[in-house]
Amino acid sequence: DIQMTQSPSSLSASVGDRVSIVCRASQTIGTHLNWYQQKPGEAPEVLIYAASSLQGGVPSRFSGSGSGTEFTLTIRSLQPEDFATYYCQQSYSAPRITFGQGTRLEIK
Amino acid sequence: DVQLVESGGGLGQPGRSLTLSCTSSGFNFRDSGMSWLRQAPGKGLEWVGLIRSSAFGGTTEYAASVKGRFTISRDRSRSIAYLQIHSLKTEDTAVYYCVRPRMPFCVGECYISTGYYMDVWGKGTTVIVTS
Repeated sequence: DIQMTQSPSSLSASVGDRVSIVCRASQTIGTHLNWYQQKPGEAPEVLIYAASSLQGGVPSRFSGSGSGTEFTLTIRSLQPEDFATYYCQQSYSAPRITFGQGTRLEIK
Repeated sequence: DVQLVESGGGLGQPGRSLTLSCTSSGFNFRDSGMSWLRQAPGKGLEWVGLIRSSAFGGTTEYAASVKGRFTISRDRSRSIAYLQIHSLKTEDTAVYYCVRPRMPFCVGECYISTGYYMDVWGKGTTVIVTS
């Protein structure tokens, strides 16, 4: 199985900050990497697919980059509604996909 | 609105069976694959399995951790996907999400394979396995 490791596991930031979350794959996965946001008590929602494509309706302050084994989700100018848990997910080994362990973004 | 609504969760006893349903609306269910994921309390996301559309044989795929105990099926006429869980185990306790897998840059009926992501999620249904 392809292992996905996110760092950090948790992060404290303030409204207006720029933050980045890194996701590393245990083997090369090309650009088959997706990012999701999950708020407490809710289902996840896709933010970014294919490493850098913004899902429709997602604010442009979210961006994704990377290829191979290292990927980054960047949130420019944090808003109050962005405090949530973020997951990366690889689909290189589809249909059997795997997720990172999650990064909890908290208000400082 | 594109929507997925899960139902059928609840309490289950170890060794018994449970069937979850996922009712879809707002999109062409017949052309879409469907997938199930789960999230144990306080844990991350785990892919459970998927079923492809009829155009691709309605084939199913499962995670190794559930293969042989879980069965995914679909009723095209009612736009419902199902997840049957047999021989319930305490470790099956989780929120179960029905999701629509989507192939990037593909329009229409697409074979779910490398690169897919989940673009529509249900709110989830909770399964608690306890004696």
